[in-house]
Amino acid sequence: AQSVTQPDIHITVSEGASLELRCNYSYGATPYLFWYVQSPGQGLQLLLKYFSGDTLVQGIKGFEAEFKRSQSSFNLRKPSVHWSDAAEYFCAVGAPSGGSNYKLTFGKGTLLTVNP
Amino acid sequence: KAGVTQTPRYLIKTRGQQVTLSCSPISGHRSVSWYQQTPGQGLQFLFEYFSETQRNKGNFPGRFSGRQFSNSRSEMNVSTLELGDSALYLCASSPGAGGWFFGPGTRLTVL
Repeated sequence: AQSVTQPDIHITVSEGASLELRCNYSYGATPYLFWYVQSPGQGLQLLLKYFSGDTLVQGIKGFEAEFKRSQSSFNLRKPSVHWSDAAEYFCAVGAPSGGSNYKLTFGKGTLLTVNP
Repeated sequence: KAGVTQTPRYLIKTRGQQVTLSCSPISGHRSVSWYQQTPGQGLQFLFEYFSETQRNKGNFPGRFSGRQFSNSRSEMNVSTLELGDSALYLCASSPGAGGWFFGPGTRLTVL
């Protein structure tokens, strides 16, 4: 069965600083990988996804992630954090569930606090 | 396009009651899935539907059930509510391999 580990429960950075959120996955085949962001009281917004091809993936809001098969990692990065990036971030792995779709298994999330 | 909509947004019930939550997917999306989010367990998969057929089910008791209608709208039902069912219930829709798009969720509180 697939699993996702986000080692950092809470990260605090200063506005303008760079950010890296860690994600490690366990899955027997080539994974579908995702990063979602959740603001308080809101649903999940898809930041970016990796299915295949280029291992560096660009997403919305200036985020990018790099798939490293040898390390089973899919870390999320942003060169300069804005106060509006404060939220909870979830990494997820997708396992096929029939047809062209897949079931998501989420990590426990990393809460990002941004200091002014 | 309008996003995934869920109704109601907030719900308060008492133990032993039952509840039905509704989800309208993005237009054209035929796949719908449901997740439960709690502080202790995080995000857990409930079930997935495609063209009115349940394709996958998570590890939840039989009190949790769902269905999908011919217009792709979906409902989930929880019978005999327990305190531990208090959670944010998220619905997501997908056009296929493009990714899952989530709604704002229904916050269920069981007293």
